[in-house]
Amino acid sequence: AQSVTQPDIHITVSEGASLELRCNYSYGATPYLFWYVQSPGQGLQLLLKYFSGDTLVQGIKGFEAEFKRSQSSFNLRKPSVHWSDAAEYFCAVGFHSGGYQKVTFGTGTKLQVIP
Amino acid sequence: DSGVTQTPKHLITATGQRVTLRCSPRSGDLSVYWYQQSLDQGLQFLIQYYNGEERAKGNILERFSAQQFPDLHSELNLSSLELGDSALYFCASSVGGGSYGYTFGSGTRLTVV
Repeated sequence: AQSVTQPDIHITVSEGASLELRCNYSYGATPYLFWYVQSPGQGLQLLLKYFSGDTLVQGIKGFEAEFKRSQSSFNLRKPSVHWSDAAEYFCAVGFHSGGYQKVTFGTGTKLQVIP
Repeated sequence: DSGVTQTPKHLITATGQRVTLRCSPRSGDLSVYWYQQSLDQGLQFLIQYYNGEERAKGNILERFSAQQFPDLHSELNLSSLELGDSALYFCASSVGGGSYGYTFGSGTRLTVV
């Protein structure tokens, strides 16, 4: 069965430090891959997406993610974290099932940013 | 403003009651998705509609039902409410099957007392 794993439930980084959030998926083919961010009390916002082509994708708010087929991973990165990046981040995997596309969300990683 | 409108933003009701949550998708989007988010269960997919037809079902209880109307807005009906139904309920929309990602509303916080 298709699945997505975010192994880190909670991550703390210092403001200005680099960030990498991990995401691994299980799927027989190359899926659609997404990262979303959820600020407290808000809905999820799409940060970036990957369908095909260049494996390094750029998103909003200075985030990027790299698709590594050999590792079944789609890790999110940011070179310098700002206090406003504190939020919960969800990786999502889209795949075709029964003629339709379905999306599975990971369990999320909460990011805390300390001064 | 994401373009997806959910009402009401907050709802407090008693156990055993029935409530209706409403969602207006982003203009041009044909698909609507409902999700439940709670601390212990995380983000759970409930149901998807595409252009008025049910497309996929997730972990939706029999006490819950939904529909999408001809104007594409959707309603999620929750009945015989239990304390455990207290959660954030999100609606999301997409153009088609979600290949380009979803646009989420800001959610309805349901508290069952």
